[in-house]
Parts: sequence; structure tokens; C-alpha cells
Amino acid sequence: EIVLTQSPGTLSLSPGETATLSCRASQSVSGSYLAWYQQKPGQAPRHLIYGVSSRASGIPDRFSGSGSGADFTLTISRLEPEDFAVYYCQHYGGSPYSFGQGTKLEIK
Amino acid sequence: QVQLQQWGAGLLKPSETLSLTCAVYGGSFTGNYWTWIRQSAGKGLEWIGEVNHRGDTNTNPSLKSRVAISVDTSKNQFSLKVTSVTAADTAVYYCARGRGGLVPGGPRWFDPWGQGTLVTVSS
Repeated sequence: EIVLTQSPGTLSLSPGETATLSCRASQSVSGSYLAWYQQKPGQAPRHLIYGVSSRASGIPDRFSGSGSGADFTLTISRLEPEDFAVYYCQHYGGSPYSFGQGTKLEIK
Repeated sequence: QVQLQQWGAGLLKPSETLSLTCAVYGGSFTGNYWTWIRQSAGKGLEWIGEVNHRGDTNTNPSLKSRVAISVDTSKNQFSLKVTSVTAADTAVYYCARGRGGLVPGGPRWFDPWGQGTLVTVSS
């Protein structure tokens, strides 16, 4: 099972800035099977990205995913107040599916 | 647009059986795998298992001996049972649709998710 490590644990930024969130896998991820989710307090996770860089329906183009091998990045440009939340990466190449421990994006 | 609504008992005693059900509204019930995921402070997000419309299941080996996932296609619902619960099973449990194909245990991301049910195990 691939273990995902996200960094930083907490990222403090201001609206309008760009957030860069990292997800590192314990081994190379084949087939671009990497997804990202956003979770706000008291809510279920919301799917943002699949296949490393493909945005889910309705997700603004301020959200972009990149990376390959074992290193992946979620970039959020021009931060809006509603973007401050916890973000999780997920490897979905095969079961059991694993998630990172999350990065909290907070308002500075 | 697919929506998931889940329900079940939120407070259990150790050794009891956790039972949750998730109803699927809109979209195709037969063309997806339906999934249970839990979230706890200690373990974060943990995939529990999945079921398709034929009742084929795939379960996390870490929970396999205690988990049963079933489906009721007449109601577009699927259910989770976890037996012999302990405090370690305390978590928010989510149902979700698995996307990415119909290969058992194959590539799968999750969208959308149900609203979540907090299950607390305490004597």
C-alpha cells in the first residue's frame, strides 16, 4: 500500500496569494492515479482533481494539479476566502485506496 | 446529479454492530461502485470497502473480518455493517460513489460523498 505524506501540515496565506500544497508518495504512482479533495469544517470532502491534473466538473481553473512519479502538487491561484480549508491527496491505483493526512490552508 | 443521503445509529457500546445505510438519488446505480470511507482523528481518511449493483464487494484487509457491505438495487441503497466495534471504530462514516471504472479493486476516486454520520463507540 502506498503511503502519502502531505506538506506542509498548515499553510498560512492571505486572499489573493498562491498556495502550493505537496503530496509525496512512498513509491512511484503508476497511471497518474492521484486525486485531490477539499474539506471544510463539518462537511464531507469535495472532489477537486483526478488523474493528477484533471479538474472535476464545476471546479474553478484557479485549482491546478501537477506532478509525476512520487511527487505531486496542488496549486491554488488567487486565493478566495472560500478556499481556506483542509486538502487531501489520494492514491487510487488500486485497493486499498490511501489518503494523505491533509494540509490545512488557513487565513494569515 | 447524483446525491447520497446516509443514516444509521450514532452511539454504540463496545461489541455491538455498527449499521449504516446510504441512499442514492439521481444518476446510474448500476454503473458504479459504491463505497464506505471513515474519518477519525487518529487515522485520518480510511477506505472501508465497496460494492457494485450485483453485490460484488471489495474490502480493506485491515477490516475485512468485521465488515459486510450489501446492496438493495430495488431501493438504490447500499449498507455497511461492522461487527464487534471498539472505541477505535469511533469516526465519521461517509458513503461515496467510486469513479474510474468497474474493475473490482481497480482505479477509483470518490465523488460525490454523503453528508457523513458520526459514530461514537462508548460504554
